[in-house]
Amino acid sequence: QSALTQPASVSGSPGQSITISCTGTSSDVGGYNYVSWYQQHPGKAPKLMIYDVSKRPSGVSNRFSGSKSGNTASLTISGLQAEDEADYYCCSYAGSSTYVFGTGTKVTVL
Amino acid sequence: QITLKESGPTLVKPTQTLTLTCTFSGFSLSTSGVGVGWIRQPPGKALEWLALIYWDDDKRYGPSLKSRLTITKDTSKNQVVLTMTNMDPVDTATYYCAHSSIVAYDYWGQGTLVTVSS
Repeated sequence: QSALTQPASVSGSPGQSITISCTGTSSDVGGYNYVSWYQQHPGKAPKLMIYDVSKRPSGVSNRFSGSKSGNTASLTISGLQAEDEADYYCCSYAGSSTYVFGTGTKVTVL
Repeated sequence: QITLKESGPTLVKPTQTLTLTCTFSGFSLSTSGVGVGWIRQPPGKALEWLALIYWDDDKRYGPSLKSRLTITKDTSKNQVVLTMTNMDPVDTATYYCAHSSIVAYDYWGQGTLVTVSS
């Protein structure tokens, strides 16, 4: 069970849209519609932003959206804002009630 | 509202056993579908899923650390305990517990930093 692969960093200017990819295998991302995304600001606990590939918890901005194609899931942040600068992690169900996280992506707002 | 808080030693010696407690409120671990998981994060590194216990006492572990981990619950005390044996300096990390009633972790504790050093 290897960590899901994410780009180390993604950047964008305020107002732009960015997309973070999360690549796994048919045993995790590709096998289940249970990908979640977490935002983590420095020194803080992760915060759930997306679950079940594309669902947003109550209170999460609709600027955040998720999708999946094959073994790759994606998180898109539209209308990028300074407060979106953080680390982002994907997580996938991997069968037998186990999970695997991604390698993490640092989002920089230019 | 749902809250979770981790507690335990901040410093352990190599080869010792780590015991961490997650004390929660705002939900019951006897409610169908509810689980509490443990996730850790070494300084400057990525999150790593460790273990999960469900309301029905079903327990799951990450494959890489399965032989060293034990997760238990005390429903009456609203606590979940994680033990990790044979600690090593590479186990230095912030350890989080988190609530799950969906296939994700929707509420997290603040985390507790555990340093492994002699």
